[in-house]
Amino acid sequence: TQLLEQSPQFLSIQEGENLTVYCNSSSVFSSLQWYRQEPGEGPVLLVTVVTGGEVKKLKRLTFQFGDARKDSSLHITAAQPGDTGLYLCAGRNSGNTPLVFGKGTRLSVIA
Amino acid sequence: DAGITQSPRHKVTETGTPVTLRCHQTENHRYMYWYRQDPGHGLRLIHYSYGVKDTDKGEVSDGYSVSRSKTEDFLLTLESATSSQTSVYFCAISRGSTNEKLFFGSGTQLSVL
Repeated sequence: TQLLEQSPQFLSIQEGENLTVYCNSSSVFSSLQWYRQEPGEGPVLLVTVVTGGEVKKLKRLTFQFGDARKDSSLHITAAQPGDTGLYLCAGRNSGNTPLVFGKGTRLSVIA
Repeated sequence: DAGITQSPRHKVTETGTPVTLRCHQTENHRYMYWYRQDPGHGLRLIHYSYGVKDTDKGEVSDGYSVSRSKTEDFLLTLESATSSQTSVYFCAISRGSTNEKLFFGSGTQLSVL
């Protein structure tokens, strides 16, 4: 079983601060996805990264896939209360295999 | 929102009773998945389906069975529920293309007493 380790597990910050969360594995993934989940709802996809070294931006969120395709990071600039939620990374080791999820980082942004 | 409906949304049952959770989609997606989400464990795959009557086991399949007799419906059955199966269950769908994203339902909170 491939493991995706996410850190930190919990993060509480003030509005306006920057933060980075990490997703690491000893396995190589063909692609990696980041999802955000709000209470009482299912996860919703934020981004998919496929190429080693790839960087994608979604407004104040920056996603990076490691050069070796074993790790990824999510950086949030000037966090807002609306960013509060559970952030999950998920990876595939080939195109159509089921996703493996990390345990998530629970982010709380305080106004 | 993707057309995924999970039913029931909440259920309380007793140990040893059978339970069936239903996932219904209106997207005609080929792949359907059942995950469970527990504190400290994240999302874990129970079973998935890649077509009508085509299913496969996931990471935590013991104690669960599934059936898919129509494209739009994927049923998860706990033949004899145990307290360890208390969890939030999520259904997800995808078209199955390479690196395709998953669309999730809103979840079923199951409590086994």
